[in-house]
Formats: sequence, C-alpha cells, structure tokens
Amino acid sequence: DAKTTQPNSMESNEEEPVHLPCNHSTISGTDYIHWYRQLPSQGPEYVIHGLTSNVNNRMASLAIAEDRKSSTLILHRATLRDAAVYYCILSLGSNDYKLSFGAGTTVTVRA
Amino acid sequence: GAVVSQHPSWVICKSGTSVKIECRSLDFQATTMFWYRQFPKQSLMLMATSNEGSKATYEQGVEKDKFLINHASLTLSTLTVTSAHPEDSSFYICSARGLAGVFSYEQFFGPGTRLTVL
Repeated sequence: DAKTTQPNSMESNEEEPVHLPCNHSTISGTDYIHWYRQLPSQGPEYVIHGLTSNVNNRMASLAIAEDRKSSTLILHRATLRDAAVYYCILSLGSNDYKLSFGAGTTVTVRA
Repeated sequence: GAVVSQHPSWVICKSGTSVKIECRSLDFQATTMFWYRQFPKQSLMLMATSNEGSKATYEQGVEKDKFLINHASLTLSTLTVTSAHPEDSSFYICSARGLAGVFSYEQFFGPGTRLTVL
C-alpha cells in the first residue's frame, strides 16, 4: 500500500494561510490523493481530493506536484475552527475505496 | 451535504455485555459503509467494510465473531460488540460512501460513539 508522510504538527496565526505538506513517493498512477480533517471528539470530514491537477473548493486548495510524489493542502485564511488533525490519504485503488489513516498533522491556530 | 448519524453517541456498559451501535445515512443511499475504531491520541483504524446485503469484510486482526456487522439496508449498518471487555473501550466511527455519482468518491463520517466498558 502506498504510504504518506506528514509533519506531526504545525502552528499558524489566525487569518494567515497554512500550507500542509504530504509526501507520497510510492503513489501509483491510479491513486487519488484525499484530505480529511478531524476536529476534537468528532468524526473526520472530507476536505478535498485530486488526481493530477490542482483543485480548489470552498474549504481549501490542493496543489499536486508534477511527479505526484508530494502534495500540499492550502488553507487560505486559517480560523480557530480550522484547528484539527489533517490527514493526507491515498485511495488504495480498489473498488472498495478504503481509506487508510496515518498519524496526520495536528494544526494549531493562534488567535 | 450528506449526513451520517450514529446512535448512541456514548454508552457505558458492564464487562461481558453486548452493545449495538447504529450508523444511518440520513439523506442518501450508501453503497458501502465502513467501521473504524480510534483509541485516545491515535489515528483511526479501519475495522471492516460492509456492503448492503452481503457479509462484511474484516481487516486483518479484527475478530469477526466479536464485532458483528449487519448492513440490512442502503441507509443502515449496525456494529455489535459482543461480550465487551475494558480493552474494547474506544471511539467507534462509521462512514458511508454513496451510490455512483456525485457522492461516490467521498466518505461521509458519523459523529462517533464513545464506548466505555467497566
């Protein structure tokens, strides 16, 4: 299974952008890159996903390297509600669409 | 967006009893539902995958006779922890994936159920 590597933690100031890196050097051609986040004592929520091209939605942007071996989740203006654990996950390429969660990056936002 | 509910949100039980947790997709039909377990300060661990009308597929190391999963309809899956023991105390989270189409790539997670076994 393709694995991802993320920093354990990152800190940001409110209203500033946050760039969350993810390395996935063993990604296969059919693996999608998914980002989920989990607020304390809640279930995870979908943030964004992509395959090759950069993606934008109302929550964040996903920048994917040309060789697809790394990606960056960008929160354009962090708010206190963005404090969570962010998980970068590769789909396993099967029809089951199983998600394998790693340790993730704990994001702290300072007021 | 799609909503997934879980019931109960928390439960405390005595060792040796069985506990049933329900997972419902409220406004969409779920082809596949997943059950996860999360211990304090750890990440989510996938326990099993269930498709409506068929037997669940369990991950390696998960006892299928202890964690019974029933996916009776496209909107309901249940997880029963049989003969629960203190080491089964954990945060149990379900997720659902929609039918092919706009929701098919995304998993929608429930709020989780906190199980404490005394």
